[in-house]
Amino acid sequence: DTGVSQDPRHKITKRGQNVTFRCDPISEHNRLYWYRQTLGQGPEFLTYFQNEAQLEKSRLLSDRFSAERPKGSFSTLEIQRTEQGDSAMYLCASSLGTGPGGTEAFFGQGTRLTVV
Amino acid sequence: AQTVTQSQPEMSVQEAETVTLSCTYDTSESDYYLFWYKQPPSRQMILVIRQEAYKQQNATENRFSVNFQKAAKSFSLKISDSQLGDAAMYFCAYRTYSGGGADGLTFGKGTHLIIQP
Repeated sequence: DTGVSQDPRHKITKRGQNVTFRCDPISEHNRLYWYRQTLGQGPEFLTYFQNEAQLEKSRLLSDRFSAERPKGSFSTLEIQRTEQGDSAMYLCASSLGTGPGGTEAFFGQGTRLTVV
Repeated sequence: AQTVTQSQPEMSVQEAETVTLSCTYDTSESDYYLFWYKQPPSRQMILVIRQEAYKQQNATENRFSVNFQKAAKSFSLKISDSQLGDAAMYFCAYRTYSGGGADGLTFGKGTHLIIQP
C-alpha cells in the first residue's frame, strides 16, 4: 500500500477555468476527507465521504465546488470558474471506521493550486 | 463550533533539548479526540500522537508526550531529545467523537518548530 495518492501535485490555471483533482485513498479505507490549506494556516475541512455517500459539506464549499466518490473508491474535487482566492493546497485524507472512533486520518501530499 | 488555538507561531530549540508546544481548544462536547500532526516542508502531514478525551492518562509515543488538561481545555505536546528531523510545522487538531458525520478535523494555525544544531 502506497498511502493516499493525489494527482496532480501542482496545477496552475487561469482565472475562470475549471479544474479537477483526484484522490486515491488507502484501499481499505471507507472514509475520505478533503481539506484546503492556505499559506500560514492549518487545513480547513471541506467535505467528508463515508463510502460513496457525501455526509458533510463545510460552508467553505461554495456552489462552484463539487466532490464525488463514485463506488466508494477514489474521489474527485472539481472547482468551476476558478478565482484567485481558490489558490491553496488541497489535501485529501482517508481513514477506516464505522461509527465513533476509527483509525487516524492518513493524508496525501496535496495538490497545490495556483490561479493566475 | 469547535475552535483550536495555537498561540506560538514559531518555536526554536537546541538539538537534544526538550520543547513544549501549546494548544488550547474550545468545545461543548464531553467526548472527542485530540491530535498532534507534523507537516515537514513539502511533505505530507503525519500523525504524531492521539488522545481520547475519555482517557485520563496522557498519551506517549517514544520521545513525544502530551499534557492533556480536560478541564482547562489544554493539550500541549512535549518533544524530548529534539532531533533535526523534528523540524516541521506542528498542528493541533480536534475531532468529534460522534462519528458518521461531522467527522472532519478542526486544526489550529500551527507552530513552526526550528531545531538548532
